[in-house]
Formats: sequence, C-alpha cells, structure tokens
Amino acid sequence: GAVVSQHPSWVICKSGTSVKIECRSLDFQATTMFWYRQFPKQSLMLMATSNEGSKATYEQGVEKDKFLINHASLTLSTLTVTSAHPEDSSFYICSARKGLAGALETQYFGPGTRLLVL
Amino acid sequence: KNQVEQSPQSLIILEGKNCTLQCNYTVSPFSNLRWYKQDTGRGPVSLTIMTFSENTKSNGRYTATLDADTKQSSLHITASQLSDSASYICVVLRMDSSYKLIFGSGTRLLVRP
Repeated sequence: GAVVSQHPSWVICKSGTSVKIECRSLDFQATTMFWYRQFPKQSLMLMATSNEGSKATYEQGVEKDKFLINHASLTLSTLTVTSAHPEDSSFYICSARKGLAGALETQYFGPGTRLLVL
Repeated sequence: KNQVEQSPQSLIILEGKNCTLQCNYTVSPFSNLRWYKQDTGRGPVSLTIMTFSENTKSNGRYTATLDADTKQSSLHITASQLSDSASYICVVLRMDSSYKLIFGSGTRLLVRP
C-alpha cells in the first residue's frame, strides 16, 4: 500500500524558535498534501491544503505566516512552525492524496509528529 | 451544516466480545464514507471506504454498514482483540470543489483482557 512518512516523529523546542516538519510520499506521487493538527482526545483539524508548485490554501483561523507550507515536489511537503509558542504544542499529521480528487480518491496519512514547545 | 457525529465517545469491552460503533452525518454533497483506526500517537489508517451505493463492506473482523437514506453508518468489530484498542474515526468526503474530508470526533475503544 501507499506509504507516507513524517520526520521528525517528535520534537521539543524552546519558545520562539522555528520547527520544520517533513512529509514524504514514499511510493507514489502526491499532487495534493494536507496538514492536520490534533489536540489530545480531539479529532483531526485541517490546517491547510497544498498542491505541488502552488501556494497552500489555509483553513479559516490558521495563520499562514506562522505555519509556512512548502510543496516543492510531488513527494515532499514541509510545514514550518515559525516562532513557536507553547500553545502550538500538538500532534501534526500530514496526508497525501494519491491520484486526482474524486469519489475514488484515497488519502494516506503519515504517522504524525509530536511537537512540544517549552 | 456539514457534520459527522459519532457515538459512543468511549467504550470498554472484554477481549473476544463484539461491539458496534455508530456514525451519523449531515455532510452534503456526499461522496463517500470512511472508517479509520488511529492508534495512540499514530496517524489514522483506513479500514473501509464506501460510496452511497454500497451498504456493507468488510475488512477482516471489521464490517462497516452505510444507510445513505438515513445518513447513518456503523462499524462492527467481531471477536475483539487487545490490539483493537484505539480510536475509530468516521470520516465523510464532501464532494465539492475542495473534496474535503469531514472528521468525526472518534470513538475511543479499550479492549480489556
């Protein structure tokens, strides 16, 4: 099956620093990747949708200048949390869509990255 | 309003027992409904995907049903195992220009020996 990886799996950083999280589709080309955030005991919340080679589309309430997304290739998307604060501590999950959008499209999720900002 | 609601919020069962998780949705226009299993600290893994024309789909000990008329779905787990302990998330794909997944809040299942 399709595999999506994330790196790092967990990261601890000081408040005010920036953190970059990588998401890779290992065995397929993903024209669209998604970034989600999940707080404890809550479901996934979509942060942004990124298409290869174009600017990401952010959900309402998500600061695009704080959460920088780059989708430079069909197999790699990065999320950079700039000037991280403790409230940014969360579980960040990426997802890659295989194929074109439609009824039979499938999204594959990465294993997630746990971010703790001290 | 496009929502996916799941019940119960949490469930504890003994190993070997069966259980059924419920999902109601109001997402429109509807494309398909998925059930995911999410282990603690991991990303979701797909169990089943059903379009509106499918009533039931199985994946091993997992059987999902869909009633597109009442907009209800269920996930039945047979002969539960300790490894089934996880969150089970019902997700509906909204078929508009964005093709967004609408997530339920999940049911946290604990299987005890």
